[in-house]
Amino acid sequence: QKEVEQNSGPLSVPEGAIASLNCTYSDRGSQSFFWYRQYSGKSPELIMFIYSNGDKEDGRFTAQLNKASQYVSLLIRDSQPSDSATYLCAVGGTGRRALTFGSGTRLQVQP
Amino acid sequence: DTEVTQTPKHLVMGMTNKKSLKCEQHMGHRAMYWYKQKAKKPPELMFVYSYEKLSINESVPSRFSPECPNSSLLNLHLHALQPEDSALYLCASSQVEAGGQETQYFGPGTRLLVL
Repeated sequence: QKEVEQNSGPLSVPEGAIASLNCTYSDRGSQSFFWYRQYSGKSPELIMFIYSNGDKEDGRFTAQLNKASQYVSLLIRDSQPSDSATYLCAVGGTGRRALTFGSGTRLQVQP
Repeated sequence: DTEVTQTPKHLVMGMTNKKSLKCEQHMGHRAMYWYKQKAKKPPELMFVYSYEKLSINESVPSRFSPECPNSSLLNLHLHALQPEDSALYLCASSQVEAGGQETQYFGPGTRLLVL
């Protein structure tokens, strides 16, 4: 079983719609959760981080965390073609400074 | 400011060459990382330095040799690489957030091609 799972996609949404990206993780001791956006050929760019159950909003982005269900999601409102990228979910544990990455979900926003 | 810089941007080397990748951050971050990323795969952790000391080595072959000369610099020395080592090499550094968790920020990467 993979430690961090994401649907590889592609997830295709029309411009202006809400894109919903999902991630599940297996380690119940995980304490920190991150979403990175990666354009083709570029490095990962941090979009959001969340540590507590519930929602966290930043502009058009909302991260949602449910530790009981071991589930974290990213909502992108008013999706733009420039949001088209691969979104990596990453999970941090305790005791070591390392992240476990999911394989990423490719998002395509259709103009 | 969350900038991590890496040089060179691109590198082509033969299997007998020795080269080095460089990473720099001036944000006072206390941990720095090397990752390797192959096409359409997530980043794979190679090394972690914490307070300039190597704290994690993910069983990386000895042809990759990390070095942390000071708290702002991280090098990755390359020697006798194989074509399968061709990848995007990412450096990251981390800072402690208000809640006590650490958040990693990536540099732009060095795209390495081994011939």
